Amino acid sequence: GQSLEQPSEVTAVEGAIVQINCTYQTSGFYGLSWYQQHDGGAPTFLSYNGLDGLEETGRFSSFLSRSDSYGYLLLQELQMKDSASYFCAVNIRMNRDDKIIFGKGTRLHILP
Amino acid sequence: ETGVTQTPRHLVMGMTNKKSLKCEQHLGHNAMYWYKQSAKKPLELMFVYNFKEQTENNSVPSRFSPECPNSSHLFLHLHTLQPEDSALYLCASSQDTRDQFFGPGTRLTVL
Repeated sequence: GQSLEQPSEVTAVEGAIVQINCTYQTSGFYGLSWYQQHDGGAPTFLSYNGLDGLEETGRFSSFLSRSDSYGYLLLQELQMKDSASYFCAVNIRMNRDDKIIFGKGTRLHILP
Repeated sequence: ETGVTQTPRHLVMGMTNKKSLKCEQHLGHNAMYWYKQSAKKPLELMFVYNFKEQTENNSVPSRFSPECPNSSHLFLHLHTLQPEDSALYLCASSQDTRDQFFGPGTRLTVL
């Protein structure tokens, strides 16, 4: 079956760096995506990794290791507005159809 | 209007009612999705449409009935729902699955 694991909650201090890990077990994997969702809001796309390595977009970076079935989202210079839930999602291909499966999400708490 | 819009934003209905959720995307995407988001559960993919053709139905009960009249519009028809169907229903669109644009969602409460 398909499974994704990410921590349910993480707490960090404003201005610090935090890493949210995601491990997965899937077949047909071809990429890992990250989404952010604020309370009462809709998920918004943050990043995508199709190849091993680090992708950087401003304060946010995402990493993928396909051999370890592992990825992470790195948030630097944390701001209070970064308080949200972060979802990893695996992109898979089954029977020539592309699908996406979301993790349960990690609630990030930022302390002043 | 830009992006993905959903109406209504909030809906309260009884178990015997029939209602419909509407989603519209203004991004020129060819795929549209319905998701269910319940508290403390992952986003659950319900239906996928590619070029107006349904390509996925994730064992969703028949009391949920999707309709995709064209690549910009998606409906979710609801009838004889149960209280456990209360959730946030999210619509999304994409050109490829890795980058999905979500609407604001409809908060559904079934009494």
